[in-house]
Amino acid sequence: GENVEQHPSTLSVQEGDSAVIKCTYSDSASNYFPWYKQELGKGPQLIIDIRSNVGEKKDQRIAVTLNKTAKHFSLHITETQPEDSAVYFCAASESGNTPLVFGKGTRLSVIA
Amino acid sequence: DVKVTQSSRYLVKRTGEKVFLECVQDMDHENMFWYRQDPGLGLRLIYFSYDVKMKEKGDIPEGYSVSREKKERFSLILESASTNQTSMYLCASLGSFEQYFGPGTRLTVT
Repeated sequence: GENVEQHPSTLSVQEGDSAVIKCTYSDSASNYFPWYKQELGKGPQLIIDIRSNVGEKKDQRIAVTLNKTAKHFSLHITETQPEDSAVYFCAASESGNTPLVFGKGTRLSVIA
Repeated sequence: DVKVTQSSRYLVKRTGEKVFLECVQDMDHENMFWYRQDPGLGLRLIYFSYDVKMKEKGDIPEGYSVSREKKERFSLILESASTNQTSMYLCASLGSFEQYFGPGTRLTVT
């Protein structure tokens, strides 16, 4: 079955700096790669996703890149703000309608 | 806005008790999921359901069962709670690609 590895487990950045979180996956059949943000006391919430026919996707300060050959994808947050502090999870699945396999999460702290 | 609600935010139960965790979604989604979240282990899938009365085992189903009698409601059952089931339990329903999560139930088994 699918296995998703996520690094780093914790990340501290200064406000305004960029943050990068990286994930690798094992199943070449995976085609859908979402990123979820979990704030304290809340359930995870989708922030961006990418499908295998796209190499990069951007939404304001957030971007995701995908390298299907190397089986890895990354989340990039630019101009970080204190409200970006949260736990971020990457995930993978064959399609958007099949169960997701999640990475173990990255706790991002943005220091003002 | 999609809303996924879970019956309790915090729950304390004794070893051996039967525990019911309830999840309700208001968007007529067919697919629903139960995960447990533990520090350093991320989210692990316990059970999921594609439709009423249908259920599929996830990665860690041992010690759990589920019930889906109505489309909007998906229940997780711990037949005989054990201390290693102390965890955060998250329910989700699936829209168009996006999974919508409830706020979670933190269960402590003593």
